[in-house]
Amino acid sequence: AQSVAQPEDQVNVAEGNPLTVKCTYSVSGNPYLFWYVQYPNRGLQFLLKYITGDNLVKGSYGFEAEFNKSQTSFHLKKPSALVSDSALYFCAVRDSIKAAGNKLTFGGGTRVLVKP
Amino acid sequence: GAVVSQHPSRVICKSGTSVKIECRSLDFQATTMFWYRQFPKQSLMLMATSNEGSKATYEQGVEKDKFLINHASLTLSTLTVTSAHPEDSSFYICSASRAVPYSYNEQFFGPGTRLTVL
Repeated sequence: AQSVAQPEDQVNVAEGNPLTVKCTYSVSGNPYLFWYVQYPNRGLQFLLKYITGDNLVKGSYGFEAEFNKSQTSFHLKKPSALVSDSALYFCAVRDSIKAAGNKLTFGGGTRVLVKP
Repeated sequence: GAVVSQHPSRVICKSGTSVKIECRSLDFQATTMFWYRQFPKQSLMLMATSNEGSKATYEQGVEKDKFLINHASLTLSTLTVTSAHPEDSSFYICSASRAVPYSYNEQFFGPGTRLTVL
């Protein structure tokens, strides 16, 4: 079975400071990992993904994430947070093995609040 | 590319009525579409997976007679909430996967539909 954990319900950060949103996962095969952002009453916006290759993945709006296989983590980072980054962030995983199908499993979400 | 739309964006209905939500892939063909439900301040929960031309596969605990899913074409899937009750009020989000053999079959998400049952 595949699972995702986002250990922090909320992250508070001052504008201009680095932002980190944590994510750990569990899969049977190799992971396909995704980060999405959701603004109030809106659907999910894709930020970035890790499928294979370089462990450091760069995505939209200045976000990046590092795949760490030994720690089974895929933390989302931004060097300098903006007030407009305040939103709900979801980490998701899909197991590469065929038996898992095409299902994504989402973490519980982390609310990010960037204060001016 | 890879745009998914949902209609309506918001719907309010009376208890006991049925509501249909459409999910369309606008610029690609989607063999598989997924329906999720999201309660306030909670994560997305997969309700069902639908493949074009076949019956949907429902997740455990989801009533298939209450949440009817039809995937009649490669660009359209519908979710019908039958005999809706206030507890069905939620944010419903669909996603679609391309029909081409991408190794990871990325899902593209719609903007969501807010259902309120009075």
